[in-house]
Amino acid sequence: DTAVSQTPKYLVTQMGNDKSIKCEQNLGHDTMYWYKQDSKKFLKIMFSYNNKELIINETVPNRFSPKSPDKAHLNLHINSLELGDSAVYFCASSLDRDRVTGELFFGEGSRLTVL
Amino acid sequence: DAKTTQPPSMDCAEGRAANLPCNHSTISGNEYVYWYRQIHSQGPQYIIHGLKNNETNEMASLIITEDRKSSTLILPHATLRDTAVYYCIVRVGNFGNEKLTFGTGTRLTIIP
Repeated sequence: DTAVSQTPKYLVTQMGNDKSIKCEQNLGHDTMYWYKQDSKKFLKIMFSYNNKELIINETVPNRFSPKSPDKAHLNLHINSLELGDSAVYFCASSLDRDRVTGELFFGEGSRLTVL
Repeated sequence: DAKTTQPPSMDCAEGRAANLPCNHSTISGNEYVYWYRQIHSQGPQYIIHGLKNNETNEMASLIITEDRKSSTLILPHATLRDTAVYYCIVRVGNFGNEKLTFGTGTRLTIIP
């Protein structure tokens, strides 16, 4: 069973379009995250949600809107896509009781290419 | 969170111990040292973490110097599947959210 699953794995789209990436975790974790890995391989946090509540928002443009319908899901919607949005987006989750552990479980990533 | 410095790349022969160093000279007393790795095209994978004492789990050992300004991740018997980018991260524990800041890491290549 996949612990953190993301769909789609690959996404190719035109500038200006709106797209969504979905993430689901079956680990029973309380906190979910979105990370972005750019072409230079830097991995940076974008958002985190704890029990559907936004905890971290790292100065991400308003075109990016995370939505957490329940604590097992955290979807990422991107409006008016730009070339610079091309990247690999990773979803992750962690368990509140293990906060001090710092162990994040990452999905396999969603590679977004904007043409 | 304190900054970390790692060599950009390292090679290790298959079956030998791989020792990956990390400098974190500005680490604070309440900051933990974490190690993650990213195998090509996959999501990062947690390896180990520690505060002061040396730690060992089924994947690796973590050796932290007494002054805590540097640490070494040890993969005792490296296999080809250990080829990956290894990230050393320092952050405050029990923070309430896991805002990990990944640097450029060390690209470890295991040679047959």
